Amino acid sequence: DIVLTQSPATLSVTPGDSVSLSCRASQSISNNLHWYQQKSHESPRLLIKYASQSISGIPSRFSGSGSGTDFTLSINSVETEDFGMYFCQQSNSWPHTFGGGTKLEIK
Amino acid sequence: QVQLKQSGPGLVQPSQSLSITCTVSGFSLTSYGVHWVRQSPGKGLEWLGVIWRGGSTDYNAAFMSRLSITKDNSKSQVFFKMNSLQADDTAIYYCAKNGYDYWGQGTTLTVSS
Repeated sequence: DIVLTQSPATLSVTPGDSVSLSCRASQSISNNLHWYQQKSHESPRLLIKYASQSISGIPSRFSGSGSGTDFTLSINSVETEDFGMYFCQQSNSWPHTFGGGTKLEIK
Repeated sequence: QVQLKQSGPGLVQPSQSLSITCTVSGFSLTSYGVHWVRQSPGKGLEWLGVIWRGGSTDYNAAFMSRLSITKDNSKSQVFFKMNSLQADDTAIYYCAKNGYDYWGQGTTLTVSS
C-alpha cells in the first residue's frame, strides 16, 4: 500500500498567516492526490483534487501543488473558520490511502 | 442537491455483523460509484471498498474476506455489510460519492459486549 506522510502533525498559527502543509508519498502517484478539511464531528470536505485542481465553493485562498511524491496545500491568509484537521489522500492505486493528518490550530 | 444519508446501528457485539444503508439523492447510482471509508483514532482514515455504477465492486484486501457492498439502483440505496466485528472495528463509517466530493454524515459504530 502507498503510505502518505503528512507534516507537520500540528501547526499553530495566527489568523492572517499564510501556511503550507506537506504530504509525501512512499512512491510516485503522479498528480492523483487530494486534500480534505475536517472539523470536529463533521465529515471530510474535499478542498483540492488532483494535486492542484480547485473545487467549486471552496475559497480561493486554498491552493495545491506538487506531483510525483511531494505535495503541498497552501492557505493564503488563514481565517478562523480554517482551523481543524487536514488530510491528503491518494487515488493512484488500490487501496486508496490517506495521510495521518495535520492539525491546524490557533496560536 | 447531492446528499448521502446513512442509517445503521451504533452498537454491535463482538463477532456480530454491521449493516449500514446509504441512501443517496441528487445523483443516480447508475452514473456514479459509492465508496466506503472508516475513521478511528488509532488507524485514521481507511478506505474499505467501492461499488461502481455497473454494480462491480473493489475491496481493500485487508477487509475483503468479511466485507460486502451491494446496491438497489431503483431505491438509490447502497448496502454495506461487515462481518466478524471486533473491538478494533470501532470507528465512524462513511459512504462517499465517487470523486469524494460528497460524503454521508457518518455512522458511529462501537463494538462492545
